[in-house]
Amino acid sequence: AQSVTQLGSHVSVSEGALVLLRCNYSSSVPPYLFWYVQYPNQGLQLLLKYTSAATLVKGINGFEAEFKKSETSFHLTKPSAHMRDAAEYFCAVSGSRDDKIIFGKGTRLHILP
Amino acid sequence: DAGVTQSPTHLIKTRGQQVTLRCSPKSGHDTVSWYQQALGQGPQFIFQYYEEEERQRGNFPDRFSGHQFPNYSSELNVNALLLGDSALYLCASSLGVRGAYNEQFFGPGTRLTVL
Repeated sequence: AQSVTQLGSHVSVSEGALVLLRCNYSSSVPPYLFWYVQYPNQGLQLLLKYTSAATLVKGINGFEAEFKKSETSFHLTKPSAHMRDAAEYFCAVSGSRDDKIIFGKGTRLHILP
Repeated sequence: DAGVTQSPTHLIKTRGQQVTLRCSPKSGHDTVSWYQQALGQGPQFIFQYYEEEERQRGNFPDRFSGHQFPNYSSELNVNALLLGDSALYLCASSLGVRGAYNEQFFGPGTRLTVL
């Protein structure tokens, strides 16, 4: 069975500050891990994914995430927040041979001016 | 290049009714997955269609059914609607069936409200 836990349903950071969104996963098989972003009234957009290659994954819009097997974590970071980063972020997991993606409950990121 | 499109955008139904939601995949994609996103929650996998057959199904009752057409578009049908079926229904398309390795592109969703 697979699951993800996102720590903090709401996170607020100041514009220009570091963004850190936390995600821990549970998987009985080697996982694929994802971060998606959802802007209001829109579908989900893939930010980045881990598929057992490099443990540090770089994505779009300046985001990156590091896969840490020992900590079962896949935290999302961005060095400097922009107002346009305000959105809902979802961490997700899938098995390498699985079609379904299991999503966390999401973290809403607020950017303070 | 058109992305994933869904129709209708919004829908209001009453308990016990039936509803059909439609999805056209991104050009070149042949696989369609459906997700239910309740308010304040992450999306939950309903099922996936490839080659006009249901390949995998999440933990949803038989009231939820689907179909894929030869042009790869898909429908999601929900019978005997319950209040708890109110949600945003997302369609995602991808190419092939290499598990989740192939990126799933999401549509904007259909907002279903059951009264």
